[in-house]
Amino acid sequence: DAEITQSPRHKIIETGRQVTLACHQTWNHNNMFWYRQDLGHGLRLIHYSYGVHDTNKGEVSDGYSVSRSNTEDLPLTLESAASSQTSVYFCASSEAPMGYGYTFGSGTRLTVV
Amino acid sequence: QKEVEQNSGPLSVPEGAIASLNCTYSDRGSQSFFWYRQYSGKSPELIMSIYSNGDKEDGRFTAQLNKASQYVSLLIRDSQPSDSATYLCAVNNPGGSARQLTFGSGTQLTVLP
Repeated sequence: DAEITQSPRHKIIETGRQVTLACHQTWNHNNMFWYRQDLGHGLRLIHYSYGVHDTNKGEVSDGYSVSRSNTEDLPLTLESAASSQTSVYFCASSEAPMGYGYTFGSGTRLTVV
Repeated sequence: QKEVEQNSGPLSVPEGAIASLNCTYSDRGSQSFFWYRQYSGKSPELIMSIYSNGDKEDGRFTAQLNKASQYVSLLIRDSQPSDSATYLCAVNNPGGSARQLTFGSGTQLTVLP
């Protein structure tokens, strides 16, 4: 069965360190998205991609980067982690054009200490 | 003004009652509307989509859309304790990008046995 997987499920890192969160989907979806979810803010868009080599900034992109070298993967990198980036991160993918909603990964809980 | 607003909750209903969840959105160009259910510690799960004015029913769930009033709602009939979750409203076309979704902050629903 097709799926979207995120790794790791939990991560604790020190302030200033770099970390990459993985997202891999086997739906063959062109659209992929990264969101963070925080109490009181709901899901906020970090970065998104509509295809290979396409990446775009979302509303909260500062301190994050992504790259899309193939259809299946959209890794999210925190270049120099800050405590404000402690959050739950969700990756999602969807058909193009939009019509069926997103399929979400199971999430990564990141703690920056 | 937030682009997607939901009744803040939390909302408690007795088992067997109808739960009513509401959502308003600001972008008149939005064309696709979704309801997600999110259990505590889990990822959002798509439960309903609606694209045309009127009602759409799926089992105990009914989504209602009124584009003139920029209003979407979700009714859950015969509510069960297993419906206790946070419900997220999502709308496409923020700023003209049909493939992106903007999420509301969610309404936490508790169904009391």
